[in-house]
Amino acid sequence: QVQLKESGPGLVQPTQTLSLTCTVSGFSLTSYHVSWVQQPPGKGLEWMGRIRSDGDTYYNSALKSRLSISRDTSKSQVFLKMNSLKTEDTAIYYCTRDRVGAGFDYWGQGVMVTVSS
Amino acid sequence: DVVLTQTPPTLSATIGQSVSISCRSSQSLLHSNGNTYLHWLLQRPGQSPQLLIYLVSRLESGVPNRFSGSGSGTDFTLKISGVEAEDLGVYYCVQGTHAPYTFGAGTKLELK
Repeated sequence: QVQLKESGPGLVQPTQTLSLTCTVSGFSLTSYHVSWVQQPPGKGLEWMGRIRSDGDTYYNSALKSRLSISRDTSKSQVFLKMNSLKTEDTAIYYCTRDRVGAGFDYWGQGVMVTVSS
Repeated sequence: DVVLTQTPPTLSATIGQSVSISCRSSQSLLHSNGNTYLHWLLQRPGQSPQLLIYLVSRLESGVPNRFSGSGSGTDFTLKISGVEAEDLGVYYCVQGTHAPYTFGAGTKLELK
């Protein structure tokens, strides 16, 4: 069945770079887009960016200068890197399958990242 | 960016009651290809979001048919016909017509 699972450090220092991995199963990264979504504690959802099935990327302009999304199709993994972290980047980070034009149909469990010294 | 305004922010309901949530967009969500990319999600407490409705009114597989979506242009509604305990949580609308994707701020459904 379709699954997505995020992994990464729970704590990152301000100004450092966050690296997260989304490992997927049950579908091919060459057939579906994958998006990353951020949710600060107790707040709503913000779309960060996505990697398309053809490998092209698109980022939220608010994060574009700090964000990079890539993938390794042989390992069924999608990577998020965000630099110059701030305390306000403390959030749960989700990866989600982006079923083009038809919504985010599968979500990972999320990974909580705290930015603090 | 497109702003989605959800009302009400909080909704109190009894089991069996029918409720509606509104999502209004700052721009028309009708794409030039004729589709309207407005979807609804539910996030239960402590869980990841779950897709309920896509393309305004299409019920996601496995979602109970007490959920329904309607609307066009800039005004959209999610209706729950007979709230059940498992429906409690935060509902979000999300649009994909105009880049970037944007979400509404959410509507929290509570038990009265």
